Amino acid sequence: DIQMTQSPSTLSASVGDRVTITCRASQSISSWLAWYQQKPGKAPKLLIYKASSLESGVPSRFSGSGSGTEFTLTISSLQPDDFATYYCQQYNSYRWTFGQGTKVEIK
Amino acid sequence: EVQLVESGGGLVKPGGSLRLSCAASGFTFSSYSMNWVRQAPGKGLEWVSSISSSSSYIYYADSVKGRFTISRDNAKNSLYLQMNSLRAEDTAVYYCARPRDGYDYWGQGTLVTVSS
Repeated sequence: DIQMTQSPSTLSASVGDRVTITCRASQSISSWLAWYQQKPGKAPKLLIYKASSLESGVPSRFSGSGSGTEFTLTISSLQPDDFATYYCQQYNSYRWTFGQGTKVEIK
Repeated sequence: EVQLVESGGGLVKPGGSLRLSCAASGFTFSSYSMNWVRQAPGKGLEWVSSISSSSSYIYYADSVKGRFTISRDNAKNSLYLQMNSLRAEDTAVYYCARPRDGYDYWGQGTLVTVSS
């Protein structure tokens, strides 16, 4: 299986900060990568697909980049609603695998 | 509006069985593969199983292979997960999710607790 490794595991930031989360794949996945936001007690929400395509309805402060094995999710100006846990996921193989998650906390 | 609604979760003893259902609406269910994804309490997300639109292709995570069976009924717009020989480590919220580029729609989840 393709292993996905996110960093950091926890991130403390303030409203207005620029935030970057990294995701590394154990082998090349081209651009078959998605990013999700999850809040406590809720299902994950798709933010980014194909590494850099913004899902409909998602604010433009979210952006994704990368290809191959290295990917990033950037929030350009952190808003109060953005404090949550973020997951990357590869869908290059039929066994879709997730990163372990990055919790974005209030500083 | 696309909706996925899971049901069938609950408390079951180790070694027991449970059948989860996912009722789909708002899209042409028979045209999409469907997946089950789970999340243990306080943990991350884990893909469990996938089924193609016509049930021709079925895949399982190693952690559930031989114990879980995914199925679907396109006439009823429903997805199922039969879970046998349940273990404590199967305790989780189980989501059905529609794969597109990533999962674009998720259900609200149903909690399965395996405990004596």
